[in-house]
Amino acid sequence: QVQLQESGPGLVKPSQTLSLTCTVSGDSMSSRDTYWSWIRQPAGKGLEWIGRMYTSGSISYNPSLESRFTMSIDTSRNQFSLKLSSVTAADTAVYYCARGSSKYIWGRDYYFLDVWGKGTTVTVSS
Amino acid sequence: DIQMTQSPSSLSASVGDRVTITCRASQSTNTYLNWYQQKPGKAPKLLIYAASSLHSGVPSRFSGSGSGTDFTLTINGLEPEDFGTYYCQQSFGNPDTFGQGTKLEIK
Repeated sequence: QVQLQESGPGLVKPSQTLSLTCTVSGDSMSSRDTYWSWIRQPAGKGLEWIGRMYTSGSISYNPSLESRFTMSIDTSRNQFSLKLSSVTAADTAVYYCARGSSKYIWGRDYYFLDVWGKGTTVTVSS
Repeated sequence: DIQMTQSPSSLSASVGDRVTITCRASQSTNTYLNWYQQKPGKAPKLLIYAASSLHSGVPSRFSGSGSGTDFTLTINGLEPEDFGTYYCQQSFGNPDTFGQGTKLEIK
């Protein structure tokens, strides 16, 4: 059974860089039909998709967000990471990592997030 | 970005009721539409993918329908454990976008 666990500092000062890691257990990260994503959720608000990456090295970021995000993957450690530079209070949120999967139905590949970490709360404050 | 709008924003229903939540996209997403359930303090859980396919382990009282811009999540025979917030998500355009959520309370 695949499990994901986020780790990182709960408190970050404004203007600093936030670094989060997601550790994957129970499965290989290199499956052809999977990808790895980050999503965040400010308290009391909805979900915001940050980006996705494949073990092939292909990465897609949310173009609507500032280009402060950097994702990376380390399959030898079964981990993937998120860095967010120049954080502000607006980056305070619960950050989730998730596994994306695809299924071929009706002649198309469909994508969805089927396994999520429990989330880690990040507060930006001096 | 494709904007996803859910309605209603909140609702209250009784055990045994049939509940319908709708999700409208600002442009066609074909059937690239997923539904998630989130309980307070927990991560979202996948319910439905590709608009109408039931994720493994999800009770059959949950169903999804729709294509293009209009989608529906239906719960037939509401159970007490179905409380929570439901989100739709489109995976057709870049970026993936979520609806604002529908909070379901059990009377």
